Amino acid sequence: DSGVTQTPKHLITATGQRVTLRCSPRSGDLSVYWYQQSLDQGLQFLIQYYNGEERAKGNILERFSAQQFPDLHSELNLSSLELGDSALYFCASSDRDGRGGANVLTFGAGSRLTVL
Amino acid sequence: GQQLNQSPQSMFIQEGEDVSMNCTSSSIFNTWLWYKQDPGEGPVLLIALYKAGELTSNGRLTAQFGITRKDSFLNISASIPSDVGIYFCAGRSSGTYKYIFGTGTRLKVLA
Repeated sequence: DSGVTQTPKHLITATGQRVTLRCSPRSGDLSVYWYQQSLDQGLQFLIQYYNGEERAKGNILERFSAQQFPDLHSELNLSSLELGDSALYFCASSDRDGRGGANVLTFGAGSRLTVL
Repeated sequence: GQQLNQSPQSMFIQEGEDVSMNCTSSSIFNTWLWYKQDPGEGPVLLIALYKAGELTSNGRLTAQFGITRKDSFLNISASIPSDVGIYFCAGRSSGTYKYIFGTGTRLKVLA
């Protein structure tokens, strides 16, 4: 157990729907990162939060949004879902804001989204 | 999206053999991380590198931060069946917040 908790583990939904993925970082970690991994692909960076503030943004679609709450858990909202959004969504946490050295990411087990 | 190039993409090796893989970038990085991902699981950190030329070991794994700061290498000695999985490199540039991940090397070990 990495200490990063993601729910749900699996989610099946239909095109056009909206889903919310949740992440609780490791105790003491202030940064949360979201990554998307499509079938047999690498990890694509979506967005990062540090202590409630957005710090970096990747190729995140306008249909996707995220936030980090005061208790440091984060939610990734995916709307108007398309077939191509089917993927594993990983959350990772870090104890630092990400710009300094000695910053490593600890990943959760992921949420597998299937859009039918 | 932006990704690092890893090679080889996949490899089959015999148990007991040594394995080498590398990761290259067009940008200079100040941190390199190596992860292993098992099927259906999240990536697990193997080794972190913070200085050009640094050589760091973790059991049978050894990784190096390339002198040019645009590449990194991972070696696995005396491979065993549980080494099967996907190995990812990840790099971060100075002054940036995000880690860019490589395309992955899929390792299969034949007993």
